[in-house]
Amino acid sequence: EAGVTQSPTHLIKTRGQQATLRCSPISGHTSVYWYQQALGLGLQFLLWYDEGEERNRGNFPPRFSGRQFPNYSSELNVNALELEDSALYLCASSLGAWGTDTQYFGPGTRLTVL
Amino acid sequence: AQSVTQLDSQVPVFEEAPVELRCNYSSSVSVYLFWYVQYPNQGLQLLLKYLSGSTLVESINGFEAEFNKSQTSFHLRKPSVHISDTAEYFCAVSVGNQFYFGTGTSLTVIP
Repeated sequence: EAGVTQSPTHLIKTRGQQATLRCSPISGHTSVYWYQQALGLGLQFLLWYDEGEERNRGNFPPRFSGRQFPNYSSELNVNALELEDSALYLCASSLGAWGTDTQYFGPGTRLTVL
Repeated sequence: AQSVTQLDSQVPVFEEAPVELRCNYSSSVSVYLFWYVQYPNQGLQLLLKYLSGSTLVESINGFEAEFNKSQTSFHLRKPSVHISDTAEYFCAVSVGNQFYFGTGTSLTVIP
């Protein structure tokens, strides 16, 4: 069974540009989560999608947005990039939409903002 | 505000020695607790979780964690570590529709 996949592996952008990150969940999983892992800060919860709807978002500005497609894959968009957006962005998926469900993580996309 | 604190960023320990990785959380409501592990060059994966019932939970590779509500802690322990346990360990809390992770503890097992 294929795990969670993310693309691209690396992404280099300049300040002010937009970045689009993609995630494909494990087959059968309906929930997708996005996290930012900046150096020394651990994982910060960004967004949670289930069945195409945004269920919740973390304490991030509106320029961080995303969506979930009918096939449950997801896209994270970061507008007006700032230097501090440089981080590893992790996507996870789970079978259900409950806080008890195990999350399965992808390998991440390393975003570098110059 | 909710938060998760992992008190030790790095823990070196000799092979076959016991280890405890500490995790404390702040929440006034019921939570679900998790430990995730990231082995070198691999993605994060679940090690164990506490949802309800017995406060002591175990993993298949010998780790255990105990939920202590009064101390708001969920420390991870193993009586005898192996070289293969070298990894980054993350404590996580699920409360409401939010998820909070600690900053991680890097466990290094020394031969």
